[in-house]
Amino acid sequence: EAGVAQSPRYKIIEKRQSVAFWCNPISGHATLYWYQQILGQGPKLLIQFQNNGVVDDSQLPKDRFSAERLKGVDSTLKIQPAKLEDSAVYLCASSLGRGGYEQYFGPGTRLTVT
Amino acid sequence: AQSVTQLDSHVSVSEGTPVLLRCNYSSSYSPSLFWYVQHPNKGLQLLLKYTSAATLVKGINGFEAEFKKSETSFHLTKPSAHMSDAAEYFCVVSETPPGSGYSTLTFGKGTMLLVSP
Repeated sequence: EAGVAQSPRYKIIEKRQSVAFWCNPISGHATLYWYQQILGQGPKLLIQFQNNGVVDDSQLPKDRFSAERLKGVDSTLKIQPAKLEDSAVYLCASSLGRGGYEQYFGPGTRLTVT
Repeated sequence: AQSVTQLDSHVSVSEGTPVLLRCNYSSSYSPSLFWYVQHPNKGLQLLLKYTSAATLVKGINGFEAEFKKSETSFHLTKPSAHMSDAAEYFCVVSETPPGSGYSTLTFGKGTMLLVSP
């Protein structure tokens, strides 16, 4: 069974530029999550989708971050414009459902904002 | 609201000696608890999970954890450390608020396990 795929693996941009990350979850997984992991900290949930609908985006900085999952499969996370403090690893995860199911994580995208 | 406290940011052990990684949690509901491991430049991998069944949970690679409700703890142990165990370990609490239909994970800050020969 293929795991969660993410691209790119690494990205370096200058502040005020925009960037997008892509995630393809495990086939059949209805729930998709985006996390931000700042160096030295645990992952923090940014947004959770159930199929193509948003379940929880309470910690997403909506003035600069956006995410979509139009067809209920793969998803993109965008940052525009980026700030220095956005430097982090962005993790995508998926699960069968949204009530206590195990989450499977992708390898992450390491973003460096200079 | 839920929270997780990992009591040690770094733990150093010698190969072949026991491992103890400590975790305390708080939760408004009956939580599920997990331990994840993250090797350098790799994704998070589930070690084990507690979901209100047996309080002693066995996971992969010889790890186990005991859920102690009275102490609000979920410490991770392994009888004998191996060099390949060197990684960062995250304790995670998950709540499903009644009527919400969804759960959220809250991660601790992580404990780096260092294993020396």
